Amino acid sequence: GESVGLHLPTLSVQEGDNSIINCAYSNSASDYFIWYKQESGKGPQFIIDIRSNMDKRQGQRVTVLLNKTVKHLSLQIAATQPGDSAVYFCAETWGAQKLVFGQGTRLTINP
Amino acid sequence: KAGVTQTPRYLIKTRGQQVTLSCSPISGHRSVSWYQQTPGQGLQFLFEYFSETQRNKGNFPGRFSGRQFSNSRSEMNVSTLELGDSALYLCASSSPNEDTQYFGPGTRLTVL
Repeated sequence: GESVGLHLPTLSVQEGDNSIINCAYSNSASDYFIWYKQESGKGPQFIIDIRSNMDKRQGQRVTVLLNKTVKHLSLQIAATQPGDSAVYFCAETWGAQKLVFGQGTRLTINP
Repeated sequence: KAGVTQTPRYLIKTRGQQVTLSCSPISGHRSVSWYQQTPGQGLQFLFEYFSETQRNKGNFPGRFSGRQFSNSRSEMNVSTLELGDSALYLCASSSPNEDTQYFGPGTRLTVL
């Protein structure tokens, strides 16, 4: 069945370094992808999204890359800060307003 | 603009009881979706409401139900609670013009 998964459950990076969080999806019909950040005790917070007709989108310190050939999504965070520590989820949807989430990657920033 | 709000934030129930959770979407948003989050299963879609009609439903038993009111506020109900229903229940809303869903802080339900 459809699924969205993450390659790494945990990721530790040094403060100031760049972080890359990866995600694999299985449904080639997915046309919209979102990255969410979830801090302890809070709901998922929207970070950035990308549609299937794009392969790259940039926000403030974040970039999402989409490779439809291998069904791979990545989130790049530049110059990571302590406040970036959280669990990051990718999600996919194909127009039905139903998001399918990956299991999440916990990002830890080391001082 | 205020975000999605959920009440209550925490709830403790015992097996066999029922529970009702409430969600107020962002002003102007007409779609409300509910998700269950557990350490083992992650985030799973429960159902989605739009203009008081259930538009989409996930793979959950009939004990899980919901509704939406004319002001777009939504409630979900879980009857005959089981231990496995302990989870964070998240509500998300979206506007008719975009696919992005914005989440509330969730309701932490503990079933004893």
